[in-house]
Amino acid sequence: EPEVTQTPSHQVTQMGQEVILRCVPISNHLYFYWYRQILGQKVEFLVSFYNNEISEKSEIFDDQFSVERPDGSNFTLKIRSTKLEDSAMYFCASSSDYNEQFFGPGTRLTVL
Amino acid sequence: KNQVEQSPQSLIILEGKNCTLQCNYTVSPFSNLRWYKQDTGRGPVSLTIMTFSENTKSNGRYTATLDADTKQSSLHITASQLSDSASYICVVSADTGRRALTFGSGTRLQVQP
Repeated sequence: EPEVTQTPSHQVTQMGQEVILRCVPISNHLYFYWYRQILGQKVEFLVSFYNNEISEKSEIFDDQFSVERPDGSNFTLKIRSTKLEDSAMYFCASSSDYNEQFFGPGTRLTVL
Repeated sequence: KNQVEQSPQSLIILEGKNCTLQCNYTVSPFSNLRWYKQDTGRGPVSLTIMTFSENTKSNGRYTATLDADTKQSSLHITASQLSDSASYICVVSADTGRRALTFGSGTRLQVQP
């Protein structure tokens, strides 16, 4: 069964460094999303992406964040200068329509 | 502000028992409501999706109900198994053309032998 994959599973970085989280959505899906979950808290929406552009973003998704679909398969989230409070699980999701979103296993980001 | 509230926060039951988890939402205009199961350290996995016109939907031992008038939903788990131990998250989508989902905090279920 097709699934969303994410790499790496765990990323440790120093505060102020740039990180890129990678996702491979399900191949025939057209809509892509990033969510984050700070330890012990709710999953929060960051951004959605369709037709090679951001279709929606939350107030969390500030200028430090960017997304890109560099080729036909990958979908990336870049954090330019990480802060301690960026430590969280980051989930990528994809969907073919408005309803079902399929989530990846997540990348645990730890900022020291 | 769109909000999703769940209760209880956590629940411990014995294997084989049934349980019911609750969800109240204030998302408007409502589009659909989903229940997800999230194992520790993993991504959420969809159990059910219900639109405004549906008031019950089953997926194996999971049965979700929806009352769009009172803005309440429940997830009933029948004959629980140890593998049901997880967080169950209620997620609501607004009918605004946005695809962003509003997540509840989840109910952490622990099934004990």
